[in-house]
Amino acid sequence: ILNVEQSPQSLHVQEGDSTNFTCSFPSSNFYALHWYRWETAKSPEALFVMTLNGDEKKKGRISATLNTKEGYSYLYIKGSQPEDSATYLCALYGQNFVFGPGTRLSVLP
Amino acid sequence: DTAVSQTPKYLVTQMGNDKSIKCEQNLGHDTMYWYKQDSKKFLKIMFSYNNKELIINETVPNRFSPKSPDKAHLNLHINSLELGDSAVYFCASNDRGNNNEQFFGPGTRLTVL
Repeated sequence: ILNVEQSPQSLHVQEGDSTNFTCSFPSSNFYALHWYRWETAKSPEALFVMTLNGDEKKKGRISATLNTKEGYSYLYIKGSQPEDSATYLCALYGQNFVFGPGTRLSVLP
Repeated sequence: DTAVSQTPKYLVTQMGNDKSIKCEQNLGHDTMYWYKQDSKKFLKIMFSYNNKELIINETVPNRFSPKSPDKAHLNLHINSLELGDSAVYFCASNDRGNNNEQFFGPGTRLTVL
């Protein structure tokens, strides 16, 4: 059974700061790692899907990397804006999807 | 156009009742999912289903059953509702074979009294 951990559980940053958080997993026995952005009172929306060790994906100010050998993925946000405030979920896809607990980001204006 | 839709958005019912939540996707995806957002706000998968197989999370009580009349629909039926079933339930879909991202529905907030 895949176990997905995320850290930190929550963080507050000032507008304009860059930040990053971690998704970690004990085994590379999965097909893909997904990142989702989940705003309060809305549905999760996909950011990235990564499958290979060393994958790097970027979308605007947000980017992610995957290291399957050491068991982690990083999500980076450059120049955080208040609209980036959300919970960021990491999910592993093996036999099925296993979601981490999320990192709750608050960007203060 | 809504990609993944769920009805109803809110459902309030008495303990012991049987209820269904409907999910439809118009994306042509081959796989659909049901998730429960638990009391700690975590997303836990309940089922995944395509035309060929149903994968059930073994922690899901057998009072919960998915029903798929066709490829675009996966409804969630719940028998003998209990207080602990109160939660937000999300439907999602994707093309599983390509490791593609999931698209989520808006969620159904179920309250069992």
